[in-house]
Amino acid sequence: GAVVSQHPSWVICKSGTSVKIECRSLDFQATTMFWYRQFPKQSLMLMATSNEGSKATYEQGVEKDKFLINHASLTLSTLTVTSAHPEDSSFYICSARPGEEAFFGQGTRLTVV
Amino acid sequence: QKEVEQDPGPLSVPEGAIVSLNCTYSNSAFQYFMWYRQYSRKGPELLMYTYSSGNKEDGRFTAQVDKSSKYISLFIRDSQPSDSATYLCAMSPVYQKVTFGTGTKLQVIP
Repeated sequence: GAVVSQHPSWVICKSGTSVKIECRSLDFQATTMFWYRQFPKQSLMLMATSNEGSKATYEQGVEKDKFLINHASLTLSTLTVTSAHPEDSSFYICSARPGEEAFFGQGTRLTVV
Repeated sequence: QKEVEQDPGPLSVPEGAIVSLNCTYSNSAFQYFMWYRQYSRKGPELLMYTYSSGNKEDGRFTAQVDKSSKYISLFIRDSQPSDSATYLCAMSPVYQKVTFGTGTKLQVIP
Protein backbone atom coordinates (compact mmCIF):
# COMPACT_ATOMS: atom_id res chain seq x y z
CA GLY A 1 0.00 0.00 0.00
CA ALA A 2 0.88 3.67 -0.08
CA VAL A 3 3.48 4.91 2.38
CA VAL A 4 3.08 7.82 4.73
CA SER A 5 6.16 8.68 6.77
CA GLN A 6 5.99 10.69 9.97
CA HIS A 7 8.89 12.18 11.92
CA PRO A 8 9.89 12.20 14.71
CA SER A 9 8.41 9.07 16.24
CA TRP A 10 8.77 10.50 19.71
CA VAL A 11 9.75 13.81 21.24
CA ILE A 12 10.09 15.21 24.72
CA CYS A 13 9.99 18.96 25.14
CA LYS A 14 9.84 21.51 27.91
CA SER A 15 6.64 23.33 28.68
CA GLY A 16 6.39 26.55 26.69
CA THR A 17 8.48 25.42 23.74
CA SER A 18 7.26 24.51 20.24
CA VAL A 19 7.50 21.19 18.48
CA LYS A 20 7.24 20.49 14.76
CA ILE A 21 6.02 17.15 13.38
CA GLU A 22 6.49 16.26 9.72
CA CYS A 23 4.30 14.05 7.57
CA ARG A 24 5.44 12.95 4.13
CA SER A 25 3.77 10.95 1.40
CA LEU A 26 6.59 8.87 -0.08
CA ASP A 27 5.11 7.37 -3.23
CA PHE A 28 2.16 9.57 -4.08
CA GLN A 29 1.10 13.18 -4.04
CA ALA A 30 -1.30 14.27 -1.36
CA THR A 31 -3.26 17.45 -1.84
CA THR A 32 -4.97 16.72 1.44
CA MET A 33 -3.59 15.28 4.64
CA PHE A 34 -5.30 14.72 7.95
CA TRP A 35 -3.94 15.22 11.47
CA TYR A 36 -5.29 13.15 14.34
CA ARG A 37 -4.65 13.04 18.04
CA GLN A 38 -5.04 9.95 20.18
CA PHE A 39 -5.11 9.96 23.97
CA PRO A 40 -4.38 6.74 25.89
CA LYS A 41 -7.07 4.09 25.47
CA GLN A 42 -9.09 6.39 23.24
CA SER A 43 -9.73 6.46 19.53
CA LEU A 44 -8.27 8.79 16.95
CA MET A 45 -9.82 12.23 16.92
CA LEU A 46 -9.49 14.36 13.82
CA MET A 47 -7.85 17.69 14.60
CA ALA A 48 -7.58 19.30 11.20
CA THR A 49 -7.49 18.77 7.47
CA SER A 50 -4.37 20.09 5.78
CA ASN A 51 -4.79 21.40 2.23
CA GLU A 52 -1.84 21.98 -0.08
CA GLY A 53 -1.51 25.63 -0.94
CA SER A 54 -4.33 26.84 1.27
CA LYS A 55 -5.36 27.16 4.90
CA ALA A 56 -6.05 24.14 6.99
CA THR A 57 -9.55 23.32 8.17
CA TYR A 58 -9.78 22.78 11.92
CA GLU A 59 -12.31 20.68 13.79
CA GLN A 60 -14.46 22.29 16.41
CA GLY A 61 -12.60 22.87 19.64
CA VAL A 62 -9.11 22.70 18.12
CA GLU A 63 -7.11 25.91 18.54
CA LYS A 64 -5.70 26.88 15.16
CA ASP A 65 -3.19 29.29 16.71
CA LYS A 66 -1.83 26.55 18.90
CA PHE A 67 -1.68 23.80 16.31
CA LEU A 68 -0.15 25.38 13.24
CA ILE A 69 -0.44 23.39 10.04
CA ASN A 70 1.55 24.03 6.90
CA HIS A 71 1.09 22.07 3.68
CA ALA A 72 3.68 23.68 1.46
CA SER A 73 4.10 20.89 -1.07
CA LEU A 74 2.21 17.90 -2.42
CA THR A 75 4.29 15.52 -0.31
CA LEU A 76 4.80 17.35 2.97
CA SER A 77 2.54 18.61 5.72
CA THR A 78 3.78 19.84 9.09
CA LEU A 79 2.05 20.26 12.43
CA THR A 80 3.63 22.64 14.92
CA VAL A 81 2.47 22.52 18.51
CA THR A 82 3.20 25.99 19.81
CA SER A 83 3.82 26.85 23.45
CA ALA A 84 3.30 23.25 24.39
CA HIS A 85 1.89 22.35 27.80
CA PRO A 86 1.66 19.01 29.59
CA GLU A 87 -1.98 18.62 28.54
CA ASP A 88 -0.78 18.59 24.91
CA SER A 89 1.06 15.35 25.60
CA SER A 90 -0.51 12.83 23.26
CA PHE A 91 0.01 10.61 20.25
CA TYR A 92 -0.25 12.60 17.00
CA ILE A 93 -0.86 10.78 13.73
CA CYS A 94 -1.10 12.02 10.16
CA SER A 95 -3.00 10.38 7.34
CA ALA A 96 -3.48 10.69 3.61
CA ARG A 97 -5.91 9.15 1.12
CA PRO A 98 -4.33 8.65 -2.30
CA GLY A 99 -7.48 6.83 -3.36
CA GLU A 100 -10.25 5.06 -1.51
CA GLU A 101 -8.07 3.82 1.34
CA ALA A 102 -6.62 5.97 4.10
CA PHE A 103 -3.02 5.36 5.15
CA PHE A 104 -1.38 6.51 8.35
CA GLY A 105 2.03 7.57 9.47
CA GLN A 106 3.81 5.84 12.32
CA GLY A 107 2.66 8.46 14.79
CA THR A 108 4.55 10.85 17.06
CA ARG A 109 4.50 10.45 20.81
CA LEU A 110 4.76 13.94 22.30
CA THR A 111 5.58 14.33 25.96
CA VAL A 112 5.64 17.82 27.43
CA VAL A 113 7.43 18.10 30.75
CA GLN B 1 -25.06 9.27 20.16
CA LYS B 2 -21.67 8.64 18.61
CA GLU B 3 -21.51 8.23 14.86
CA VAL B 4 -19.56 5.00 15.27
CA GLU B 5 -19.96 2.60 18.19
CA GLN B 6 -17.44 -0.10 18.99
CA ASP B 7 -17.10 -2.26 22.08
CA PRO B 8 -13.72 -1.43 23.65
CA GLY B 9 -13.28 -4.91 25.09
CA PRO B 10 -10.85 -6.25 26.11
CA LEU B 11 -11.56 -9.46 24.27
CA SER B 12 -9.51 -12.53 25.22
CA VAL B 13 -9.58 -15.68 23.11
CA PRO B 14 -7.47 -18.85 22.94
CA GLU B 15 -5.11 -19.34 20.06
CA GLY B 16 -6.86 -20.82 17.04
CA ALA B 17 -10.25 -19.34 17.87
CA ILE B 18 -12.39 -17.36 15.45
CA VAL B 19 -12.60 -13.73 16.49
CA SER B 20 -15.56 -11.52 15.67
CA LEU B 21 -15.19 -7.75 15.93
CA ASN B 22 -18.10 -5.43 15.26
CA CYS B 23 -19.13 -1.82 14.86
CA THR B 24 -22.41 -0.03 14.38
CA TYR B 25 -22.88 3.38 12.88
CA SER B 26 -25.56 5.98 12.41
CA ASN B 27 -24.46 8.05 9.40
CA SER B 28 -26.09 6.66 6.26
CA ALA B 29 -23.65 8.67 4.12
CA PHE B 30 -20.78 6.34 5.03
CA GLN B 31 -19.67 4.44 1.94
CA TYR B 32 -16.13 3.32 2.75
CA PHE B 33 -15.54 0.95 5.63
CA MET B 34 -12.09 0.13 6.93
CA TRP B 35 -10.48 -1.96 9.62
CA TYR B 36 -7.16 -1.02 11.16
CA ARG B 37 -4.86 -2.84 13.51
CA GLN B 38 -2.89 -0.78 15.98
CA TYR B 39 -0.10 -2.05 18.17
CA SER B 40 0.83 -0.12 21.26
CA ARG B 41 2.58 3.18 20.50
CA LYS B 42 2.31 2.66 16.74
CA GLY B 43 0.23 4.19 14.00
CA PRO B 44 -2.82 2.28 12.67
CA GLU B 45 -2.15 -0.28 9.95
CA LEU B 46 -4.82 -0.78 7.30
CA LEU B 47 -6.09 -4.38 7.25
CA MET B 48 -9.14 -4.30 5.02
CA TYR B 49 -11.37 -1.85 3.31
CA THR B 50 -14.76 -2.31 1.69
CA TYR B 51 -16.84 -0.07 -0.47
CA SER B 52 -20.57 -0.20 0.26
CA SER B 53 -22.17 -3.50 1.32
CA GLY B 54 -20.78 -6.97 0.96
CA ASN B 55 -18.01 -9.27 2.06
CA LYS B 56 -14.30 -9.18 1.45
CA GLU B 57 -11.77 -11.84 2.33
CA ASP B 58 -8.01 -11.59 2.65
CA GLY B 59 -6.22 -14.58 4.09
CA ARG B 60 -7.47 -15.16 7.62
CA PHE B 61 -9.44 -11.91 7.64
CA THR B 62 -13.00 -11.40 6.41
CA ALA B 63 -14.78 -8.05 6.47
CA GLN B 64 -18.55 -7.79 6.20
CA VAL B 65 -20.71 -4.71 5.71
CA ASP B 66 -24.47 -4.65 6.14
CA LYS B 67 -25.60 -1.16 5.25
CA SER B 68 -29.26 -1.95 5.85
CA SER B 69 -28.45 -2.65 9.49
CA LYS B 70 -25.57 -0.14 9.68
CA TYR B 71 -23.38 -2.92 11.01
CA ILE B 72 -19.89 -3.99 10.04
CA SER B 73 -17.80 -6.95 11.16
CA LEU B 74 -14.27 -8.25 10.98
CA PHE B 75 -13.64 -11.96 11.42
CA ILE B 76 -10.23 -13.41 12.16
CA ARG B 77 -9.84 -17.13 11.61
CA ASP B 78 -7.22 -19.29 13.31
CA SER B 79 -6.24 -16.40 15.57
CA GLN B 80 -2.58 -16.13 16.55
CA PRO B 81 -0.86 -14.44 19.51
CA SER B 82 0.61 -11.98 17.00
CA ASP B 83 -2.96 -10.82 16.28
CA SER B 84 -3.08 -9.33 19.78
CA ALA B 85 -3.61 -5.62 19.21
CA THR B 86 -6.31 -2.98 19.17
CA TYR B 87 -8.62 -3.15 16.17
CA LEU B 88 -10.23 0.05 14.97
CA CYS B 89 -13.16 0.25 12.63
CA ALA B 90 -13.30 3.36 10.48
CA MET B 91 -15.66 4.71 7.90
CA SER B 92 -16.27 7.71 5.71
CA PRO B 93 -18.43 9.18 2.98
CA VAL B 94 -16.82 9.31 -0.45
CA TYR B 95 -13.37 10.92 -0.15
CA GLN B 96 -14.23 12.74 3.06
CA LYS B 97 -12.80 12.57 6.54
CA VAL B 98 -12.64 9.23 8.29
CA THR B 99 -14.48 8.61 11.53
CA PHE B 100 -13.12 5.97 13.88
CA GLY B 101 -14.59 3.67 16.46
CA THR B 102 -12.99 3.59 19.89
CA GLY B 103 -11.15 0.36 19.09
CA THR B 104 -11.43 -3.16 20.53
CA LYS B 105 -8.45 -4.52 22.38
CA LEU B 106 -7.87 -8.16 21.45
CA GLN B 107 -5.66 -10.62 23.28
CA VAL B 108 -4.98 -14.05 21.81
CA ILE B 109 -3.72 -16.39 24.48
CA PRO B 110 -1.24 -19.13 23.46
